[in-house]
Amino acid sequence: NAGVMQNPRHLVRRRGQEARLRCSPMKGHSHVYWYRQLPEEGLKFMVYLQKENIIDESGMPKERFSAEFPKEGPSILRIQQVVRGDSAAYFCASSPQRQGAYNEQFFGPGTRLTVL
Amino acid sequence: AQKITQTQPGMFVQEKEAVTLDCTYDTSDQSYGLFWYKQPSSGEMIFLIYQGSYDEQNATEGRYSLNFQKARKSANLVISASQLGDSAMYFCAMREGLSGDKIIFGKGTRLHILP
Repeated sequence: NAGVMQNPRHLVRRRGQEARLRCSPMKGHSHVYWYRQLPEEGLKFMVYLQKENIIDESGMPKERFSAEFPKEGPSILRIQQVVRGDSAAYFCASSPQRQGAYNEQFFGPGTRLTVL
Repeated sequence: AQKITQTQPGMFVQEKEAVTLDCTYDTSDQSYGLFWYKQPSSGEMIFLIYQGSYDEQNATEGRYSLNFQKARKSANLVISASQLGDSAMYFCAMREGLSGDKIIFGKGTRLHILP
């Protein structure tokens, strides 16, 4: 049973370009979460999605960032016009259904974005 | 207000010794979950152990145990018989409430195991 898959694992972009990060949740999981980790920091919640719905985007920057989780295919985190401050590791996690406090989220290996 | 506090930015421990990583949390919810994750230098997030707020017994998973003191709002991770492979960043995290979706992470503790 494959875990959460993220690609690419490493992504290099120049300032002003677009970055697209992909996340395929574990089989049977319909809930996806995106987190960002700046160097030497813990992970910070960005957005929580179900299939075709954004449930909570309270951690998303207001501009340039968007996320989707279509009916078919992976979840995409899109960053337009990247700046150096966007350089970070972006982690995706998935869970099988909307659950309360008593269930873990399964994390992918992360995508390390470097903006030159 | 900071929700998860890890006061030890770094620790050095001799191999085979036990180590305790501190974590305190802040929440007004009665229902919550506490997690510890390990992040080795390769970068992935590895789930270690979970404690629910209503669990009466401390969680244990192999060499990992969680010292849960609810009144003090602390959830320290204890690693027994440390190994060189335990060298990594360790994050304490919390998920709030019955409908809590996001996990809130502390800043982490970098653990170095010395041979």
